[in-house]
Amino acid sequence: AQKITQTQPGMFVQEKEAVTLDCTYDTSDPSYGLFWYKQPSSGEMIFLIYQGSYDQQNATEGRYSLNFQKARKSANLVISASQLGDSAMYFCAMREGDFQKLVFGTGTRLLVSP
Amino acid sequence: SAVISQKPSRDICQRGTSLTIQCQVDSQVTMMFWYRQQPGQSLTLIATANQGSEATYESGFVIDKFPISRPNLTFSTLTVSNMSPEDSSIYLCSVELWREAFFGQGTRLTVV
Repeated sequence: AQKITQTQPGMFVQEKEAVTLDCTYDTSDPSYGLFWYKQPSSGEMIFLIYQGSYDQQNATEGRYSLNFQKARKSANLVISASQLGDSAMYFCAMREGDFQKLVFGTGTRLLVSP
Repeated sequence: SAVISQKPSRDICQRGTSLTIQCQVDSQVTMMFWYRQQPGQSLTLIATANQGSEATYESGFVIDKFPISRPNLTFSTLTVSNMSPEDSSIYLCSVELWREAFFGQGTRLTVV
């Protein structure tokens, strides 16, 4: 079974609008972490945001926020006020426990139009 | 955050040759991870490298093909051996600091 599922292969949004990228996960480990990364065409993986399973509040980093719904096992990324530079692939990932590997979803390609 | 310097950023190699990728971190870390991203695909873990011990490889990856060195707590290398066109991928190293995971810039390898 897939541990991380991203159901949106591609998303379109207009500049200055908000967009939500979906991510659901599957784990029986009570301690886990959820990550979002941005991958531009250059190939580097840019860390955006992290949510721990025991964190009480949803994580936020500037224009990025993570809508963490533990009961639903979802960890959607919300990008507010989209910019043209946000056009990239976005990957959701999960780590079970500490110092363990990341398991990645298949990614969502976001295109921001003027 | 961690600063991870990965070299080379890209290379074009002849089949049958080997390429060594270097990863330098500005902090001491216990574990370093090496991932592969094949064209149009997501990232897959190749192996986990601990300082002072042999790397642990994921299913489908073997030491003869992807030897890894971890001589100290800030440095690691991954070698892609006896390359074929199927090895054309982006290779990325990663470390975990303060629960967060950071990546190097990636090495875009093309085998011809």
